[in-house]
Amino acid sequence: KNEVEQSPQNLTAQEGEFITINCSYSVGISALHWLQQHPGGGIVSLFMLSSGKKKHGRLIATINIQEKHSSLHITASHPRDSAVYICAVCQDGATNKLIFGTGTLLAVQP
Amino acid sequence: GAGVSQSPSNKVTEKGKDVELRCDPISGHTALYWYRQSLGQGLEFLIYFQGNSAPDKSGLPSDRFSAERTGGSVSTLTIQRTQQEDSAVYLCASSLGVMGGYQETQYFGPGTRLLVL
Repeated sequence: KNEVEQSPQNLTAQEGEFITINCSYSVGISALHWLQQHPGGGIVSLFMLSSGKKKHGRLIATINIQEKHSSLHITASHPRDSAVYICAVCQDGATNKLIFGTGTLLAVQP
Repeated sequence: GAGVSQSPSNKVTEKGKDVELRCDPISGHTALYWYRQSLGQGLEFLIYFQGNSAPDKSGLPSDRFSAERTGGSVSTLTIQRTQQEDSAVYLCASSLGVMGGYQETQYFGPGTRLLVL
């Protein structure tokens, strides 16, 4: 079982829909990252959070440390949001590794 | 300002040859990371540099892989005697390095696509 699980693996939405991508993890963490990877490979960091909720434009990220779960929400989705969304956690302790989920491929259709 | 840059953007090599991949982090960033993304697979941590501290090499898949960071800035990832399974996109990222590296926003380079024939 992967230490970081994302769902769904693939998601198709219509433009304007509200989208939720989920991330569950099984290890103690100090931080969780949401990343966006567009076709062609460029990766952009969307959020880094260790508690509560963060909002940037149409994107909202939440984390529940007790439940070891995070969600990424996209409001009023647009075709330009089509990308792979990756959850990654920084594990507690002495390690410096990020542990990555396998990503959620989002396609927003006009 | 300039972001993280990597070179070359693409590299095709023959099995058994050595390759060097370069990463120029954002100026002033003391933390630097190398990751690998194999076709159809997720991102995989390779190595982490923080300032003058000894690097965390725990993600390097074999002793054919090594990395160095000269002068606290530019980093080179070297793969010796390349194998076909080394084919992947190699990504570099940097961060300020103030908050212990992984608790900070990381800025990714465009990656180097390595194909080993």
